Amino acid sequence: TQLLEQSPQFLSIQEGENLTVYCNSSSVFSSLQWYRQEPGEGPVLLVTVVTGGEVKKLKRLTFQFGDARKDSSLHITAAQPGDTGLYLCAGFGSQGNLIFGKGTKLSVKP
Amino acid sequence: GAVVSQHPSRVICKSGTSVKIECRSLDFQATTMFWYRQFPKQSLMLMATSNEGSKATYEQGVEKDKFLINHASLTLSTLTVTSAHPEDSSFYICSARTTNTGELFFGEGSRLTVL
Repeated sequence: TQLLEQSPQFLSIQEGENLTVYCNSSSVFSSLQWYRQEPGEGPVLLVTVVTGGEVKKLKRLTFQFGDARKDSSLHITAAQPGDTGLYLCAGFGSQGNLIFGKGTKLSVKP
Repeated sequence: GAVVSQHPSRVICKSGTSVKIECRSLDFQATTMFWYRQFPKQSLMLMATSNEGSKATYEQGVEKDKFLINHASLTLSTLTVTSAHPEDSSFYICSARTTNTGELFFGEGSRLTVL
């Protein structure tokens, strides 16, 4: 069974601080995706990482895919209240469906 | 970008009734759609994979007679919660995979409350 473990589960920080969210698995994934979900809405895709060791940047967000394609991280620089939300990592399972981690609930206080 | 629409976005029903939730891909064809359930403060759990013109594939522990899935066209899949009970109250989200590129897009979700 392919599982994705996310940590931390909850994160509460002050505006301007940096943070990193981790997504780990014992299985190899062909690609991993990061989503952000607001309460009462569906998840919105932020990025897809495909190549081992790949680093992608989206403004203040930096995404990294592990060399072995078993883990990924999301780093946010100078967090803002607008970054508050649930961050989910996901990978495609053998059946073509998306397998989600349990998510990291981020709260950025002004 | 591609749009996936779910309807209704919120529904409240009495225990014992059935509720249908629709998932439509508005500007692309989707051979495959996925249905997820999300309980408060938890992640999305895959319920079933819906393939156009064939029976849905259900995940372990999901009752296929209770959660009826129909994928009659390349742009529409429906999830019917039959004889709903309060424990079925949840946030149901669909995703659709484009036939030509394989990209996945999510609906906005439907919140079901069973009284």
